[in-house]
Amino acid sequence: EAGVTQFPSHSVIEKGQTVTLRCDPISGHDNLYWYRRVMGKEIKFLLHFVKESKQDESGMPNNRFLAERTGGTYSTLKVQPAELEDSGVYFCASSQVWGNRNEQFFGPGTRLTVL
Amino acid sequence: AQSVSQHNHHVILSEAASLELGCNYSYGGTVNLFWYVQYPGQHLQLLLKYFSGDPLVKGIKGFEAEFIKSKFSFNLRKPSVQWSDTAEYFCAVNIKAAGNKLTFGGGTRVLVKP
Repeated sequence: EAGVTQFPSHSVIEKGQTVTLRCDPISGHDNLYWYRRVMGKEIKFLLHFVKESKQDESGMPNNRFLAERTGGTYSTLKVQPAELEDSGVYFCASSQVWGNRNEQFFGPGTRLTVL
Repeated sequence: AQSVSQHNHHVILSEAASLELGCNYSYGGTVNLFWYVQYPGQHLQLLLKYFSGDPLVKGIKGFEAEFIKSKFSFNLRKPSVQWSDTAEYFCAVNIKAAGNKLTFGGGTRVLVKP
């Protein structure tokens, strides 16, 4: 069974440009999460989809970030316009929640560098 | 706000030494607890998890963790490390009242010298 995949693995852009990150969750997982790790800091939650609906977007830093999950399958995270402080590794995770149990499986991450 | 703290940022030890990584969280309600590991060049993998029941949890690769509710702790242990345990280790907490998101500690880089 394929795991969570993310594309691209690396992205280098200039300040002011737009970047779109993609995440394909494990097939059948209704829950999809985005996290970010800025260098030297902890991994922080950005948002959570259940199917195509945003369940929790409390971690989104500002309105330059837009996440979508049309059709409840893959998700995209667009940063527009990118700023220097957006540099970091963006992780996607997916899970299928069973009662109290929520085990999240992580993708390899996208390393974003904003110059 | 809820937080998770890992006591050590870096740990260096020799093969066959014992490893213990501390993790404390600040929330008094129901939690699920996890340890993830990221080996060099690889993605985050789940080492072990605690949902309920026996507070001593065994995971993959000889790791175990003990949930001590009174201390809000979930420390990770391995009796004898190998060079291949060189990695970054992350403690994570899911606070049930706050939805399904994970709150991570800052990570501990472990270097095992051969």
